Amino acid sequence: DSGVTQTPKHLITATGQRVTLRCSPRSGDLSVYWYQQSLDQGLQFLIQYYNGEERAKGNILERFSAQQFPDLHSELNLSSLELGDSALYFCASSPGTSTYSYEQYFGPGTRLTVT
Amino acid sequence: GNSVTQMEGPVTLSEEAFLTINCTYTATGYPSLFWYVQYPGEGLQLLLKATKADDKGSNKGFEATYRKETTSFHLEKGSVQVSDSAVYFCALLYSSASKIIFGSGTRLSIRP
Repeated sequence: DSGVTQTPKHLITATGQRVTLRCSPRSGDLSVYWYQQSLDQGLQFLIQYYNGEERAKGNILERFSAQQFPDLHSELNLSSLELGDSALYFCASSPGTSTYSYEQYFGPGTRLTVT
Repeated sequence: GNSVTQMEGPVTLSEEAFLTINCTYTATGYPSLFWYVQYPGEGLQLLLKATKADDKGSNKGFEATYRKETTSFHLEKGSVQVSDSAVYFCALLYSSASKIIFGSGTRLSIRP
């Protein structure tokens, strides 16, 4: 158990809908990272937040957004869902801003299925 | 751009066999290199890392050496166990960036 929790574990929704994925980092960790894992794209970094502020952006679509709240939990919002958004979404946390210095601890993931 | 290429899976071995999973990278400068492991139904866990050329990372019997001359970071284990069955990801990171670039993953299955 990494100490990172993600809810829900599974999510099934229809195209065009909007969903919110939630992540609680390990106690004391200030950075939260979101990743998407799909069969065709592999594992891709989406976005990082540090202490409530966006710190780095990866291959995140404009239809997706994220935020980190004062209690440090984070939410990833996916809107206008398409079939291709079906994937496993991972959240990770680390103590600091740089992954060079700090190991990232991954949650168990949320499996999103868009039908 | 920066990228990581790892050997295609799945790889199937018998227990106690020797394991090598190849990983090569394309990058400018001197990235840090990582191997992550994903057990069934779980998130990724950092297995080992190396931050500069000729460093050897090791953990749980696995090792990998950062070879700048061949831009490689191959994962090895002398005697695999059934419990090593998982997907293994090679990855790189620059200290100036936050995002980790992952390879496509190699699924390893160990037969008893």
